[in-house]
Amino acid sequence: DAKTTQPTSMDCAEGRAANLPCNHSTISGNEYVYWYRQIHSQGPQYIIHGLKNNETNEMASLIITEDRKSSTLILPHATLRDTAVYYCIDPSNYTGANSKLTFGKGITLSVRP
Amino acid sequence: NAGVTQTPKFRVLKTGQSMTLLCAQDMNHEYMYWYRQDPGMGLRLIHYSVGEGTTAKGEVPDGYNVSRLKKQNFLLGLESAAPSQTSVYFCASSYRADSPLHFGNGTRLTVT
Repeated sequence: DAKTTQPTSMDCAEGRAANLPCNHSTISGNEYVYWYRQIHSQGPQYIIHGLKNNETNEMASLIITEDRKSSTLILPHATLRDTAVYYCIDPSNYTGANSKLTFGKGITLSVRP
Repeated sequence: NAGVTQTPKFRVLKTGQSMTLLCAQDMNHEYMYWYRQDPGMGLRLIHYSVGEGTTAKGEVPDGYNVSRLKKQNFLLGLESAAPSQTSVYFCASSYRADSPLHFGNGTRLTVT
């Protein structure tokens, strides 16, 4: 089975951009890339998703490489409240039905003052 | 608009006791899900529902039952609690099968 790979952890300074990478080297077809995050003691929160083009919303930007084998989630001005575990969803397991979605271990982002 | 609400927030049970966790959503979503989260294991799907009156098994259904008598509510039952069911339980809902999930803030259950 294909796997999504992310670093275990990373940190950034408050106010700076946080760039969170994800490799999904076996992505194919019409598989979307989804990102969620989980702040401590809260439920996961949807952030953004994309197929081919770069996407931006009020929370973040998603940059997907042309070959679609990797993506980067960008938090343009990280705050202390952005400290969380960020999940890049394995698109090969996600067949378009949330019942097949797997979260994995994610990347822990620590925003320092 | 409260989103997804879970009750209770915390519960301690003795082995063999039973309880029901309630999930309520006010977004008129068709799909609802129950997950458990354990350290180092990530989120695992227990059961889900694709509409009122329907339920289906997820990855780890054993020891749990669910009911979806009303569209807005999804109940998770433990008939005879075991220490292995100590976990944090999250409920989620979505408008369609592939729409973004909306999660509640969890129920922390300890079984002694």
